Amino acid sequence: KQEVTQIPAALSVPEGENLVLNCSFTDSAIYNLQWFRQDPGKGLTSLLLIQSSQREQTSGRLNASLDKSSGRSTLYIAASQPGDSATYLCAVGTSGTYKYIFGTGTRLKVLA
Amino acid sequence: AAGVIQSPRHLIKEKRETATLKCYPIPRHDTVYWYQQGPGQDPQFLISFYEKMQSDKGSIPDRFSAQQFSDYHSELNMSSLELGDSALYFCASSLAGGPGNEQFFGPGTRLTVL
Repeated sequence: KQEVTQIPAALSVPEGENLVLNCSFTDSAIYNLQWFRQDPGKGLTSLLLIQSSQREQTSGRLNASLDKSSGRSTLYIAASQPGDSATYLCAVGTSGTYKYIFGTGTRLKVLA
Repeated sequence: AAGVIQSPRHLIKEKRETATLKCYPIPRHDTVYWYQQGPGQDPQFLISFYEKMQSDKGSIPDRFSAQQFSDYHSELNMSSLELGDSALYFCASSLAGGPGNEQFFGPGTRLTVL
């Protein structure tokens, strides 16, 4: 059974810092991994999708990497801004099923 | 670009009442997924449909049922509502075999059970 965890659960950093969010999964037979951002009480905003054949994806200040063999993905945020404050969720699509298994989330606060 | 549409966006019901949530996928998407996100929790998979057939089932209570119609929209029917059903319900759609099988999420329906 796929299990997805995210570390740290919460993070508070000063503006301008580069930071790394971690996502770990137990079953390496995945077909993709997607990172989302969620503001309090709001919907899911897709940030990056990494297909199983890819090692990383970049969008603006965001870079996501995938290491299937070790069951890990990292989301790198460069030059963090207060507007980046939100909960970040990773979701794993496991081969053989249609569903996403979501991680436990990292609650990020960037201080001005 | 067209996105996933969910209606209603907000719904308030009393205990033991019924509720119907609707999801309209992105045009040409053939797969629909339903997720439930309780307060302070991560989204949990409920059920999915591919070409109008149930394709996978998660932790969906027996009080809930869902279906996908010929136009690919989907409805989640919830009966005998309980306080614990209060949550944000997301619908997502994808194109089977599409790039990375990416799921596109709707804005969610916030259900409050009083």
